[in-house]
Amino acid sequence: EDQVTQSPEALRLQEGESSSLNCSYTVSGLRGLFWYRQDPGKGPEFLFTLYSAGEEKEKERLKATLTKKESFLHITAPKPEDSATYLCAVQPHTDSWGKLQFGAGTQVVVTP
Amino acid sequence: DAGVIQSPRHEVTEMGQEVTLRCKPISGHNSLFWYRQTMMRGLELLIYFNNNVPIDDSGMPEDRFSAKMPNASFSTLKIQPSEPRDSAVYFCASIGRRGEVDTGELFFGEGSRLTVL
Repeated sequence: EDQVTQSPEALRLQEGESSSLNCSYTVSGLRGLFWYRQDPGKGPEFLFTLYSAGEEKEKERLKATLTKKESFLHITAPKPEDSATYLCAVQPHTDSWGKLQFGAGTQVVVTP
Repeated sequence: DAGVIQSPRHEVTEMGQEVTLRCKPISGHNSLFWYRQTMMRGLELLIYFNNNVPIDDSGMPEDRFSAKMPNASFSTLKIQPSEPRDSAVYFCASIGRRGEVDTGELFFGEGSRLTVL
């Protein structure tokens, strides 16, 4: 059975204090791994898609990496506006695009 | 583009009442998804459509739930009768396109928060 586990559940950072979020996954053939950001009262917002082990993608202070068993979302020198819940999701080969298995998310709070 | 539009944003109803949630996907997106988010179970896929046709409804919890997509710009999710355990945030999403190909990126609406008393 496909499974996605995110850790930690919550993370409190000082502004400028870099850290990493973990997403461990078990899937019968990975078609893609996705990272989304969700602000309170809003829908998830797409950040990255990773397709194969070794791949990396960056956007501003965020960098996502992928291995065969897990993905990391690195937040470098975070700012208060990076506060959000970050969701990881996997897309198995056997399913159509959009049929995602989501993790529970990591809630990140960045204080000034 | 205005993005995926959902209504109502908030709905409070009594157990046993019928609830209808509405969604307008992004123009040109061929696939539409209904997800539900709760604290206990996170985000779960309920049903998805491709070119207005339901493809997979295996996530629909029971017969009280039904969904339709009468045309490319409108979908509904109906719960009848509603129960307190249906309380959740319901998201509609459509999948991005690059030319004639789906990209895999989901564009979510802001959600409909349902409370069943």
